[in-house]
Amino acid sequence: AIRMTQSPSSLSATTGDRVTIACRASQDINIYLAWYQQKPGKAPKLLIYGASTLQSGVPSRFSGSGSGTDFSLTITYLQSEDFATYYCQHYSSYPLTFGGGTKVEIK
Amino acid sequence: EVQLVESGGGLVQPGGSLRLSCAASGFIFSDYFMDWVRQAPGKGLEWVARIRIKADSYTTEYAASVIDRFSISRDDSENSLFLQMNSLEIEDTAVYHCARVGRNGGTTDYWGQGALVTVSS
Repeated sequence: AIRMTQSPSSLSATTGDRVTIACRASQDINIYLAWYQQKPGKAPKLLIYGASTLQSGVPSRFSGSGSGTDFSLTITYLQSEDFATYYCQHYSSYPLTFGGGTKVEIK
Repeated sequence: EVQLVESGGGLVQPGGSLRLSCAASGFIFSDYFMDWVRQAPGKGLEWVARIRIKADSYTTEYAASVIDRFSISRDDSENSLFLQMNSLEIEDTAVYHCARVGRNGGTTDYWGQGALVTVSS
């Protein structure tokens, strides 16, 4: 199975900050990479698919980049509602796997 | 509005069985692949299973941790998705979400709130 490694596992930031989360795949997954946001007690929400395509309705301060094995999610001008846990997931082959998550906390 | 509502969760002893259901509405259920994804308490997300549509013979995929124990199925006439879980282990304790696979290359675009399954003696 393809292993997805996210870094950091947690970070502290303040509103208005620019935040970048990294995700590395253990083998080439082309651009079959999605990013999700999850708030406590809630279902995950799809933010980005195809490594860089913004899901409909997601604010443009979220962006994704990368291909192959190295990817990143960037949140420009962090808002209060962005404090959450973020997961990457590959969907290039079965089994699908998620990264371990990155918790974005208020500094 | 797309809605996915899971039911059937609860407490079960190790070795027992449970069947989860997911009621879908707000979209043409029969046109979409569907997934089950779980999250153990305080842990990350784990993909469990996928079922394709009738045109793809309802073929299925499973995570290694559940293969030969879990079975995903669907009833398009009832807009429902199911997960039959047998030989349950303590490690299967989790919130189980059903999720729609979007027409975006294969990842999930809508999720239900989940059903809690607790495996304990």
